[in-house]
Order: sequence, then C-alpha cells, then structure tokens
Amino acid sequence: GDSVTQMEGPVTLSEEAFLTINCTYTATGYPSLFWYVQYPGEGLQLLLKATKADDKGSNKGFEATYRKETTSFHLEKGSVQVSDSAVYFCALTQGSPQLSFGAGTTVTVRA
Amino acid sequence: NAGVTQTPKFQVLKTGQSMTLQCAQDMNHEYMSWYRQDPGMGLRLIHYSVGAGITDQGEVPNGYNVSRSTTEDFPLRLLSAAPSQTSVYFCASSYSGGEFDEQFFGPGTRLTVL
Repeated sequence: GDSVTQMEGPVTLSEEAFLTINCTYTATGYPSLFWYVQYPGEGLQLLLKATKADDKGSNKGFEATYRKETTSFHLEKGSVQVSDSAVYFCALTQGSPQLSFGAGTTVTVRA
Repeated sequence: NAGVTQTPKFQVLKTGQSMTLQCAQDMNHEYMSWYRQDPGMGLRLIHYSVGAGITDQGEVPNGYNVSRSTTEDFPLRLLSAAPSQTSVYFCASSYSGGEFDEQFFGPGTRLTVL
C-alpha cells in the first residue's frame, strides 16, 4: 500500500538556521502530497500541498517540491524562528481523502 | 466558526470501561474522520464518513464504533477499553471528501487506559 517515510527526529536548530526535513513516498499512482504541522498542544494544520509532479507548495516561508523521479517531497525553510518549533508530518492521498502519514519529525528552534 | 471541536480533552479509563469521544464541526463539511496518534507511528485512520448515515472502516478500526446521524457530529465509541487504545485521538473534517481538500483537525483527546 501507499506509505510515507520521513526523517527521524528530533531536530534541534538555532534561530535563523536552514531547515530541511526529508520525506519520500511509495505509491502505485500519482498521489497528492502534503505537509501538516502540529504546534504544542494543538491539532494538525495544513502547511502546504502539491497535487502533481514538479508542483511547489509554499506557505509561511516553507517550501516543498513534488519530485516524481525521486518520489520525494522534502520540506525546507531558509531561516527558522522559535515559533517554528513543532512536529511536522508528511502525508499523501491517492484517489480518496484518506491521508497516509509519516511518523512525524519534532523540530525545536532555540533562540 | 468554532471549526472542529472535540471533547473531552483528557480522559482516563480502566480496562473494560466504555466511553464516547465527541467530535463536532460547524463548517457544513461532508467528510469526517477519526485518527489515532501514537509515538513513532504518525496518525492512523480509524473510521471515516462521507456524509450523514454513511461510515466506513479505516486502517485500524478494531475496538471502535462510529455513527453519523447528523452532518455536524461524528462520535467515536470505545465499547470495552484496552490499554492498547491509550493514544491521542484526532477528529478531522473536509468539505466534500475530495482528494485535494484541506482537512481540518480538532485539538485532540488524550486517552489513557489503565
């Protein structure tokens, strides 16, 4: 079945550092790809998405490009802030609204 | 709009007890779903509904029941709680259940089964 693998955490960074979280997927067709973020004590929120190959999703300074050739959807941000401390989930859907999630990566940004 | 609301926020049960986790949304969304979140495993789909009166099983449905009598509400029932059901439970909804629809998540219910 479809699955998502994302880099293990936790990740600890200093403010203004560059953040990359790797995400790769396995799917038989052409899935839609998502990044969700979970801030402490809250539910998940959609951060960005891409629905076809070579699409770039972006939001709040975060970017991810749908790479079909490498089956990847890595999340990047050029300069993180303390407020970016959260758990980040890579996820996919294919033909239905049912999301398949990765295990999540905990990111802590220190001032 | 309140969005997706869940009650209670925290719950402790003894093995064998039953309870219902409540979920409601005020966005007139057709699609609603329940996930459980466990460390190192991401979120896994328990049950979902594409509209009032229609429910179906997800990846991990055993031990859970659902019903959808109204568009707004989608309660999750544990008939006989087990320690393996200790988890954080999230309810989610989306407008039409389309593959590209953004899903909106509630704040979660943290359940401990002793």
